[in-house]
Amino acid sequence: EAQLVESGGGLEQPGRSLRLSCAASGFTFDDYAMHWVRRVPGKGLEWVSGISWDSGNIVYADFVKGRFTVSRDNAKNSLYLQMNRLETTDTAFYYCAKAEEAMVQTGLFDCWGQGTLVNVSP
Amino acid sequence: HSALTQPPSVSAAPGQKVIISCSGTDSNVGHNYVSWYQQFPGAAPKVLIYDDNQRPSGIPDRFSGSKSGTSATLDIVGLQAADEADYYCGTWDSRLSVVVFGGGTRLTVL
Repeated sequence: EAQLVESGGGLEQPGRSLRLSCAASGFTFDDYAMHWVRRVPGKGLEWVSGISWDSGNIVYADFVKGRFTVSRDNAKNSLYLQMNRLETTDTAFYYCAKAEEAMVQTGLFDCWGQGTLVNVSP
Repeated sequence: HSALTQPPSVSAAPGQKVIISCSGTDSNVGHNYVSWYQQFPGAAPKVLIYDDNQRPSGIPDRFSGSKSGTSATLDIVGLQAADEADYYCGTWDSRLSVVVFGGGTRLTVL
């Protein structure tokens, strides 16, 4: 059974950095694109970023461009999100999600982690 | 604001039916498959419908999806108290090259 486990969230001040990790198991990691999706408490889901199976195609939401960097290590079955210049509006639960295909051009995520909370506060 | 438009809330009595709408544009709903997700408080989202109208194994046939043009709908019949959750539509936007979600619909079973 496919499983995703996020880590790396926590409390951080505006302007600082955090690195989220997502450990994958139960499926062939390098066959699939991976994405980050967040949910601000009290609000809806918001897509953050996606990366293709081979890291050849990477896409970001407009609100994170230049601040966040997504990457993956297929040898370690791991997905990462480097978050720099954090803003209070980045406070949210961050989920990693497995796409159902190798490329990023999909809105179908068939496996989600439980999420990790990022709290950006002065 | 969200790229896809959903009603903020819907409600109905147990056993009744609700329809949740998802309105988009030619470059997202009108051009790509729509997925629907269910999310309970404190839990991860789960896919209910994919490819506009397909159910993953284990999803009851009380849940169904359809699409016409730039609008998609999620129908839930035979409502149960356990269906109270937030529901989201999502798809790829070919013009913007991003994933887009609806703002979410809170289902209340009266």
